[in-house]
Amino acid sequence: QVQLVESGGGVVQPGGSLRLSCAASGFTFSSFGMHWVRQAPGKGLECVAFIQYDESEKYYTDSVKGRFTISRDNSKNTLYLQINSLRAEDTAIYYCAKDRISTSRDSYYYYMDVWGKGTTVTVSS
Amino acid sequence: DIQMTQSPSSLSASVGDRVTITCRAGQSIGSHLNWYQQKPGKAPKVLIFAASSLESGVPSRFSASGSGTEFSLTISSLQPEDFATYYCQQTYKTPPWTFGQGTKVEVK
Repeated sequence: QVQLVESGGGVVQPGGSLRLSCAASGFTFSSFGMHWVRQAPGKGLECVAFIQYDESEKYYTDSVKGRFTISRDNSKNTLYLQINSLRAEDTAIYYCAKDRISTSRDSYYYYMDVWGKGTTVTVSS
Repeated sequence: DIQMTQSPSSLSASVGDRVTITCRAGQSIGSHLNWYQQKPGKAPKVLIFAASSLESGVPSRFSASGSGTEFSLTISSLQPEDFATYYCQQTYKTPPWTFGQGTKVEVK
């Protein structure tokens, strides 16, 4: 079945780094864009980064630009998020999600149709 | 960034009630609006995409409408498994896209 499994979270001191991974299975990973979405404790959802299926486009939310790097290895069916210079406000569950495109009314509509269970990043001294 | 505002932030309802949640975009986004359901300790799940299209496998008691800046999600007859938090998300133009702050549907 279609599945995404995140790993790599942990407790890190402010200023530290982590690399999150998202292993995909059950679909042709190399054909789909992928997202990282985070959720701080007790808070809502925030899109952090997006990478196109062929790495041709990458986008980041303003608060992580210059600190986070999204990448993928299509030969390993794996998505990554390198997070550097961690801050307390980066504490969150980090989800990876698969991009889905639907065509209707001569337009393209995007949404996230498959999500992993998340990996927790805690930034604390 | 396009701001998304949901109302109410929370509501109390009973099984069988009709429930409506609204979402307002800070600028016109056409029909580029999705709805997700999230239960405690779980990942979000898509219910509706393109403002009004029901995702495969989602019960027909869920429906949505709207375009431009005003959108709504309706649950026609609330079921026990529907108590959760609901998020709207705009996917207009390039990522990263933005979510509303969420609406928690609680037991009355």
